[in-house]
Amino acid sequence: EVQLLESGGGLVQPWGSLRLSCAASGFTFGTYAMSWVRQAPGKGLEWVAAVSAGGDTTYYADSVKGRSTISRANSKNTVYLQMNSLTADDTAVYYCAKGESGSFHYCDYWGQGTLVTVSS
Amino acid sequence: DIQMTQSPSSVSASVGDRVTITCRASRGISSWLAWYQQKPGKAPKIVIYAASTLQSGVPSRFSGSGSGTDFTLTISSLQPEDFATYYCQQGNSFPLTFGGGTKVEIK
Repeated sequence: EVQLLESGGGLVQPWGSLRLSCAASGFTFGTYAMSWVRQAPGKGLEWVAAVSAGGDTTYYADSVKGRSTISRANSKNTVYLQMNSLTADDTAVYYCAKGESGSFHYCDYWGQGTLVTVSS
Repeated sequence: DIQMTQSPSSVSASVGDRVTITCRASRGISSWLAWYQQKPGKAPKIVIYAASTLQSGVPSRFSGSGSGTDFTLTISSLQPEDFATYYCQQGNSFPLTFGGGTKVEIK
């Protein structure tokens, strides 16, 4: 059974930093691309970042580019999202998601999400 | 960026009704489209990918169609567990983008 378990969310002050983690199990982690998708309270879904299976290729939404880094440790079956210079606009539930059939195109499994609240 | 526009934003329907949701891409995306179902407080769940391929385990009352810029998700006979918000998502190019969502509510 595929499981994705996010952690690292919480309350952070404006302009602070946070690192989210997602521990994966139930599939061959190192052969699938992974993404982070977020959802602000009461709003829709926004894709944030993606990393290739090997970790050598990354993509970012303009809203986080330059202040966020997605990475992965295949030896630990874990994907990370380092976020810096956080503002209230970054307040959201952050979901980790597995790429379908090893591709970036779609996300076929999602974690339960971790809430990030940016507030003073 | 490719903009995804869903309609309607909400629909009220009864159990047994046929429901159709549309999604339009701002430019052609071939068949690189997925549909997700999200219930309150839960993570999204993929329903359809590649425009018309049913995800394993998803009931056959769900179907998807379309290519290029215009797509539809159809629920042939709405069941109580189908009341949720549905999102389309293009997988043609980065940034991946989602539609604004369609809330399927009980009439």
